[in-house]
Amino acid sequence: DVKVTQSSRYLVKRTGEKVFLECVQDMDHENMFWYRQDPGLGLRLIYFSYDVKMKEKGDIPEGYSVSREKKERFSLILESASTNQTSMYLCASSLNRGSSYEQYFGPGTRLTVT
Amino acid sequence: GQQVMQIPQYQHVQEGEDFTTYCNSSTTLSNIQWYKQRPGGHPVFLIQLVKSGEVKKQKRLTFQFGEAKKNSSLHITATQTTDVGTYFCAGPTINSGGYNKLIFGAGTRLAVHP
Repeated sequence: DVKVTQSSRYLVKRTGEKVFLECVQDMDHENMFWYRQDPGLGLRLIYFSYDVKMKEKGDIPEGYSVSREKKERFSLILESASTNQTSMYLCASSLNRGSSYEQYFGPGTRLTVT
Repeated sequence: GQQVMQIPQYQHVQEGEDFTTYCNSSTTLSNIQWYKQRPGGHPVFLIQLVKSGEVKKQKRLTFQFGEAKKNSSLHITATQTTDVGTYFCAGPTINSGGYNKLIFGAGTRLAVHP
């Protein structure tokens, strides 16, 4: 079974703090994704990566950056957390390039910025 | 940009009733994927449809892909309490860098009352 793990289930940070969300997958997937999920808005793509050290902006990249130094690990960074970044953050991975392969999601990190 | 819309946003049924959620894309899709997210859980891949007019069944779930490959539906026959959750459709698109990504609908939340 594919396993995607995220570093924290719940996180509380203060406005202006730098926040790191970590995601690790154990199935040697090339593709990794970061989404945020808000009620009524579904899943919105923040950033994704198709290879080590490679990154592509998603639909809502502002206020976020990412790092992929190793194939199995994809980190989401909030440079200066703001209250409007309070959300559920979901990491996902998939096999190979393109959209034809299903995505496997981690359990999510519920981030609260106060 | 490309949009994927889902209706209804919320559906409340009595156990044993049928349920249908509809997904519409603003552009033709090469394929469409469906995911289910249980309350408190993460999205889990259900199925992918590729061919025009394709119909696939998984026990009480029937998935259809429209002839024009711009719409899809998920029908559940005789709902059970285990069907509770949010159902998302997702279609591929190409970003400005030429990479494929998925666009998710906002989801349909299903509540089943015993």
